[in-house]
Amino acid sequence: RKEVEQDPGPFNVPEGATVAFNCTYSNSASQSFFWYRQDCRKEPKLLMSVYSSGNEDGRFTAQLNRASQYISLLIRDSKLSDSATYLCVVNCAYDSGYALNFGKGTSLLVTP
Amino acid sequence: DVKVTQSSRYLVKRTGEKVFLECVQDMDHENMFWYRQDPGLGLRLIYFSYDVKMKEKGDIPEGYSVSREKKERFSLILESASTNQTSMYLCASRISGGMDEQFFGPGTRLTVL
Repeated sequence: RKEVEQDPGPFNVPEGATVAFNCTYSNSASQSFFWYRQDCRKEPKLLMSVYSSGNEDGRFTAQLNRASQYISLLIRDSKLSDSATYLCVVNCAYDSGYALNFGKGTSLLVTP
Repeated sequence: DVKVTQSSRYLVKRTGEKVFLECVQDMDHENMFWYRQDPGLGLRLIYFSYDVKMKEKGDIPEGYSVSREKKERFSLILESASTNQTSMYLCASRISGGMDEQFFGPGTRLTVL
């Protein structure tokens, strides 16, 4: 099952830059979408959910395009602390319920 | 704070051994999951459980089994460990499906020699 595809990067950007990550998913019936963040040698943690109308949380903006089966994450005014791997996640249906399918992640390095 | 704990941070086992990885969550979550994470392959779903005594195969269940006798505990079992099961194993839980946040444990780095 190859549900979620994303560019692995790495993206190397200077502090203050704007960077965008993209992701595509294969199952048009998918209903729920997320971005998770994973720091080096740590577990993934929810960054933000992605809503149909698009949503913003501070410097982070997530967009969903259902017609193209495409999800994006925009980070404005990058900080050194934004350096991490960003995982595109889709909630997929199995027999007894839903489970999250993760993309392989996009690596971001913000440099001084 | 939601807490998902895993029994070991690092584990070294020999080929053919039976291995138990334990996961406990303290927030009365219905759903629990086991993933493995490998470089270049990302997080892959092994098994999950929607409720006590329920289980469902994920995308890579071969060589694994699971047990969920109590709501808070979800065990991953490697019946006969093999070297290709060397990996980082991550347990996760969430209240239910939909838009609920999924919380991960810190992971168990398993090495099979």
